[in-house]
Formats: sequence, structure tokens, C-alpha cells
Amino acid sequence: DAGITQSPRYKITETGRQVTLMCHQTWSHSYMFWYRQDLGHGLRLIYYSAAADITDKGEVPDGYVVSRSKTENFPLTLESATRSQTSVYFCASRVAGLTDTQYFGPGTRLTVL
Amino acid sequence: QKEVEQDPGPLSVPEGAIVSLNCTYSNSAFQYFMWYRQYSRKGPELLMYTYSSGNKEDGRFTAQVDKSSKYISLFIRDSQPSDSATYLCAMSVNAGGTSYGKLTFGQGTILTVHP
Repeated sequence: DAGITQSPRYKITETGRQVTLMCHQTWSHSYMFWYRQDLGHGLRLIYYSAAADITDKGEVPDGYVVSRSKTENFPLTLESATRSQTSVYFCASRVAGLTDTQYFGPGTRLTVL
Repeated sequence: QKEVEQDPGPLSVPEGAIVSLNCTYSNSAFQYFMWYRQYSRKGPELLMYTYSSGNKEDGRFTAQVDKSSKYISLFIRDSQPSDSATYLCAMSVNAGGTSYGKLTFGQGTILTVHP
């Protein structure tokens, strides 16, 4: 199916473990984004990527690592998960063009115990 | 002070009511304004996109931008239970191009339309 997919949709892990959240898009959009959504904070940008092998930090990058070896994939890794990283994570993408409209995936609900 | 302020609600209305959702902002450089709808346990989906001041209508939805007051609104006419969702406003300075197109979001307003 076309669009953005995220996996897993739900994940429970323990403090200190490494976790990777996957994001895949079929539109060949240049830009991809990772957000976290928390009550009281709304959507906050973690990292973004302008193209394969080009990534940059957003508002809340600490504790996260990203890579983008292929245009369609943008994995987010929590190197050593902490309870404060319990959140819902959304991947988004947009085409380089005339608008800033971003298209979001379905989200991954992560719980760190 | 947050760049974009949005009343989180929750807002509860009867079916058929006119709903008004609002955001205020402080950055006068914002030129592009969006409304996203987010159903429970789903990702945000684009509902309306407007540029600069003025109104835009799409079916039962009208987006209004008043740049002089730094105020945007989304009106929903003849609201339906299927409109029950969280509505997020979002804004940007640039129109894409070579910038990464940072979106600044409001916190979202939770809307429930009851039959």
C-alpha cells in the first residue's frame, strides 16, 4: 500500500535497552521527520532528514539517533531507553516543493518500564 | 510563552452544531497555516491548508486566517459524530523549497460531537 508505514505499532521495553522504530514511505518524498507526541507538549520534532545521508536535529534530539541510507526508510533508534522516552512517535514526510504540508504515519506507541 | 497557543478543550457539542476551533500565534513571519485532524490512536491527517489572510472553504469546513490579529480559526458546520477527533493547528514560515519546512504545532483541541 502507498503511504507511510511505521513498525512496530506498539512496543514495551525496559530502561537501558536499545530500541529501533522503523519508518517506510512509498512516495519518494525527499524530507522525512520524527516527532514525539506527549500530553501537554503536543508534537515535538526529534530529527529530520532532507535526503538520503542528510539528517539534522530538531527540538528534542537527546537520546535518539537516526540514519537514512535509503530515501524510503528513516529509522529512529533509542540507544539506551529511559522512562521519559515513553511516548507516541510519529514519522512524517513531505515532498520538496511549494508547500510545507507533511504527511504522517500511524504512529508507534512506546512504553519504557 | 509558546509560539502557537491552542485551547486543549475538551470541547463537547451536540450533533448539528457549528464548531469553532482557534489558535493564536506570536511569530508574525508565519505565512502558511494548516489544520490537521487526528483520530484516536491514529496519525494526524491534513484537513485544510491556507496561505496568508482570508478564508478557505471545503465542504463543511472553513479555515479563516487573520494575520493582523495573529489568529486562525477552523469552523465546522453541521458537525457529525464522525468529526470527533483532536484538531491541531500548524504553521510555517517558508513554502517548502529548499528549507526543511519546519511546522510549529498547537497542542490540539479535543472535540466530541455527541448524537
